[in-house]
Amino acid sequence: GESVGLHLPTLSVQEGDNSIINCAYSNSASDYFIWYKQESGKGPQFIIDIRSNMDKRQGQRVTVLLNKTVKHLSLQIAATQPGDSAVYFCAESRGATNKLIFGTGTLLAVQP
Amino acid sequence: EAGVAQSPRYKIIEKRQSVAFWCNPISGHATLYWYQQILGQGPKLLIQFQNNGVVDDSQLPKDRFSAERLKGVDSTLKIQPAKLEDSAVYLCASSLVGHLSYEQYFGPGTRLTVT
Repeated sequence: GESVGLHLPTLSVQEGDNSIINCAYSNSASDYFIWYKQESGKGPQFIIDIRSNMDKRQGQRVTVLLNKTVKHLSLQIAATQPGDSAVYFCAESRGATNKLIFGTGTLLAVQP
Repeated sequence: EAGVAQSPRYKIIEKRQSVAFWCNPISGHATLYWYQQILGQGPKLLIQFQNNGVVDDSQLPKDRFSAERLKGVDSTLKIQPAKLEDSAVYLCASSLVGHLSYEQYFGPGTRLTVT
């Protein structure tokens, strides 16, 4: 089924610390998993993705981990900065139509 | 490269009125998506076009929502008549042909308030 969030989880971190945002997905048949960042008043912005045949992928200051056994996805942000403050969504991509199913977002609040 | 453009950015209407949103995707992107994002939730796909054909409209409330993509470029999403529960941000996204690229680029959205 699809994730529906009524309450937005919040993660508060100090500037310079590492952040870990977690996501549980629903469908073991999903092909891709993507993390999006959404700042207030803007549309979601692509951060990083991972294919279902991988368990880790690194980008610039970000790492995504995929655990298919427990259907869990995480986003790690190194040396978190104030500009990282936003809502983060994980999304599953399914099938040839590339349909995205978004999970419940997490609000990341970076304290200076 | 210009991003996905949407207009208007904000719209306030009364229930039972009609409203239309416009989207101009990134040049060359054959696939266009409309999402509804209710406050505090992730975006939910309403309809997906590839060129000017509909690929997926399974979650579009067809009794009141309609969308078209004439000439395979710009798209409009219409709601008629609007209900209070339609208050949300309507996001347009585009990508290269669906099965070749999973990365979707989102516009800034249109915030609709139905009173």
